[in-house]
Amino acid sequence: NAGVTQTPKFQVLKTGQSMTLQCAQDMNHEYMSWYRQDPGMGLRLIHYSVGAGITDQGEVPNGYNVSRSTTEDFPLRLLSAAPSQTSVYFCASSYRDRGSTEAFFGQGTRLTVV
Amino acid sequence: AQSVAQPEDQVNVAEGNPLTVKCTYSVSGNPYLFWYVQYPNRGLQFLLKYITGDNLVKGSYGFEAEFNKSQTSFHLKKPSALVSDSALYFCAVRDTYGPSSNTGKLIFGQGTTLQVKP
Repeated sequence: NAGVTQTPKFQVLKTGQSMTLQCAQDMNHEYMSWYRQDPGMGLRLIHYSVGAGITDQGEVPNGYNVSRSTTEDFPLRLLSAAPSQTSVYFCASSYRDRGSTEAFFGQGTRLTVV
Repeated sequence: AQSVAQPEDQVNVAEGNPLTVKCTYSVSGNPYLFWYVQYPNRGLQFLLKYITGDNLVKGSYGFEAEFNKSQTSFHLKKPSALVSDSALYFCAVRDTYGPSSNTGKLIFGQGTTLQVKP
């Protein structure tokens, strides 16, 4: 059981480049989300999805794009990378219910924008 | 607005001593509360949760947490700390009322670094 798989683990981008962070889960979870982790700020929600074809913005969506064409995959796209997007990115998934089930997290992608 | 506060950036404790990592929350309805742990260069791992029922919740690795509704707190505790417990700990909440109640959205605190010294 792989759980939540994120790729790549590390990435260095130049300012202005674009890239896609991949996230896949094999637990048939309806809910998937992307967070960024910055020192002293905890985890902040970027985008989330409650099912295939449905996405919505979180707390810090600017500069990021998402889509959810299947239940399993939820890629995060950086349209034009900026140094302010240097961060550690986590994908998470859980069952969509009244909130009692815990979320499962991927191992993270450490992104540096130079 | 929903929020979670972890008032301590770092907690230091000697191995074998009890530890407490503090968390307070603010939600509009009844909360679902979670604790996660993050070891260096790893993702977040689930420790325990409070949904309803007994205010003392037991979780993984000997950790427990006490839910206090009147103080809106959910402090993480362990009777005897281990050096291997050193990590970053996050408290998180889901609201059970309102438009986000069934979306799975989690609100996180800023995290508390636990340092256990031999």
